Parts: sequence; C-alpha cells; structure tokens
Amino acid sequence: AQSVAQPEDQVNVAEGNPLTVKCTYSVSGNPYLFWYVQYPNRGLQFLLKYITGDNLVKGSYGFEAEFNKSQTSFHLKKPSALVSDSALYFCAVRDLSGGSYIPTFGRGTSLIVHP
Amino acid sequence: DSGVTQTPKHLITATGQRVTLRCSPRSGDLSVYWYQQSLDQGLQFLIQYYNGEERAKGNILERFSAQQFPDLHSELNLSSLELGDSALYFCASSVEGDPIGNTIYFGEGSWLTVV
Repeated sequence: AQSVAQPEDQVNVAEGNPLTVKCTYSVSGNPYLFWYVQYPNRGLQFLLKYITGDNLVKGSYGFEAEFNKSQTSFHLKKPSALVSDSALYFCAVRDLSGGSYIPTFGRGTSLIVHP
Repeated sequence: DSGVTQTPKHLITATGQRVTLRCSPRSGDLSVYWYQQSLDQGLQFLIQYYNGEERAKGNILERFSAQQFPDLHSELNLSSLELGDSALYFCASSVEGDPIGNTIYFGEGSWLTVV
C-alpha cells in the first residue's frame, strides 16, 4: 500500500527566508509524486510533480521539489518566501504496483510566512 | 481556474436529508474523482469514474453514491445525512491516458453543512 507522511502540521518562516515543507512516502514500486497548494476556502491547486528524470523539479510560483529515492522524500522548497505563500500544502503519491493508482494525499502542512 | 466546476458552492441542510453535488470535469477529461475533506480525516478519496464507469472505490459510505453521465459530468449523492457528514467535497478530473503520470485537477469544492 502507498502512503505519504507530512511530518510537520505547521511551518513558520519569515518573509524572504528559504522555506522547506517536508514529505516522505512509501510505495511498492516507482513513485509518482505531486505537490498541491490550498488557499483558504479554495480548491487544491497543482504546483509540481515528479514522474521520472531530474531529481529537482520546478513548478509554479517559484516552488521546486527535490526527489530523494534513498530517503524516500520529496520536500517542497522555495528560495525566498512571500507572505502570499501562506497556505496549506499537500503532498500526494501514486503507485501502480499496489494495484490502485488513486492518489494518496498527506494530511497537509500549514505554511505561515511572517512579514 | 482549474477548469473543474462544482455546484453548489455552499449547502446547508438538516440531518436525514439528501443532497446532490454536481461536477463538470475539465474539457477532454474522462476521469472524475470525488474526495471529502474534513478537519479530523484530512483528504479522503471516495470514488472514481472513468468514461461513465466506476473504476475505483475508496472510503465511501453506503449512504453515498455517485455516477458519471454520458456528457462526463458527475454527481455525488449523499443521503440520510448526519452531522459528521459536514465537510468540503471536492471533485477532480484528469485525462487518464497515462493514469499514473497524469495530474488530477481539483474544483473549488462544495461546502456541506448538516445541522
């Protein structure tokens, strides 16, 4: 079975500082990994995904994520945080080998960027 | 705007009642997913339809049912509603030519409050 863990319920960072939102996964086969962002009272918006290829994936709004197979991690990063980045972030994984390719989502991490 | 349309945006109803949530997927997307988001359970997968046929079922209660119509829009029916059914219900869609790698795109959600 596939699973995703977001070990931090909340991440606080000052505006202008780099940010990292952590995600670890567990799958039987090759993982397909996604990050989404949810602003208050809105739906989930796709940020980026890793399917294959370069371990560093670039996405929307200046976000990037690094796939690390040995650590089974897919952390979301941004070099310089903005107050407008404050939102709920979800990591998700898909894995066909388990027989189901329905995305499994983490519980979400609330990112708070302080002015 | 993801291109996934959900109606109604907000709904307040009494316990024991029945409601129908509607979803129009992005143009060209054959696959529709329904998720439930609540504070204590996070984002839970309910059910998936592909081109009119049920493809995968998750933690969907027997009181809930869904269908996808020939024009690809989908409806989620919730009956005998209980207070605990209060949640944000998301519809998402994807192309599913490559079921693993394809991104799923979410609508803005339907807020259901059961009183």
